[in-house]
Amino acid sequence: NAGVTQTPKFQVLKTGQSMTLQCAQDMNHNSMYWYRQDPGMGLRLIYYSASEGTTDKGEVPNGYNVSRLNKREFSLRLESAAPSQTSVYFCASSEAIHNLNNSPLHFGNGTRLTVT
Amino acid sequence: KNQVEQSPQSLIILEGKNCTLQCNYTVSPFSNLRWYKQDTGRGPVSLTIMTFSENTKSNGRYTATLDADTKQSSLHITASQLSDSASYICVVSFFNAGNNRKLIWGLGTSLAVNP
Repeated sequence: NAGVTQTPKFQVLKTGQSMTLQCAQDMNHNSMYWYRQDPGMGLRLIYYSASEGTTDKGEVPNGYNVSRLNKREFSLRLESAAPSQTSVYFCASSEAIHNLNNSPLHFGNGTRLTVT
Repeated sequence: KNQVEQSPQSLIILEGKNCTLQCNYTVSPFSNLRWYKQDTGRGPVSLTIMTFSENTKSNGRYTATLDADTKQSSLHITASQLSDSASYICVVSFFNAGNNRKLIWGLGTSLAVNP
């Protein structure tokens, strides 16, 4: 099994450009998440989807939008990229958001985004 | 304020040696604590989870402890290997005012195992 797959692996954008980060999981998980990881800061939750058809804001949602396309896929869109959005973005999935005792987060290998 | 603090920030040890990583938290009400390993350029991978009633849990050469009274956890690595070089992140789960489960991530300890 591939687990959680993210594309692209690397991306460079100019300020104001838009792009969509793609994420797919093959574990039949109900919940999916988008995090960003920056030096000197813990992982921060951008948006999450507790189940197919629902999405909710996390800690740092400004400047982002998400789409839960189906149970497998959860995309993150930057409408107008800013240098402050330079980061490593991780997609994750879990069996159920309210069952984190028995259900760890499974992460993809990240998208490294630079905004100039 | 809910916080998770890890120490040391970084650590260098020789292959074959043991080491202990610390995680202190001020999260309340506590639900569980999980340790993740993050290799360079990869996403975090869960090592083990500690619930309120558990004191010690082992996963191969990794042993996690939890003292819920002092709000401290440790991750002990025995007979280190080069492949143990990674960042180790402590994550604490709690219930917020709306009774929703939330996660607080530590900044991680960067471990380098040298031959």
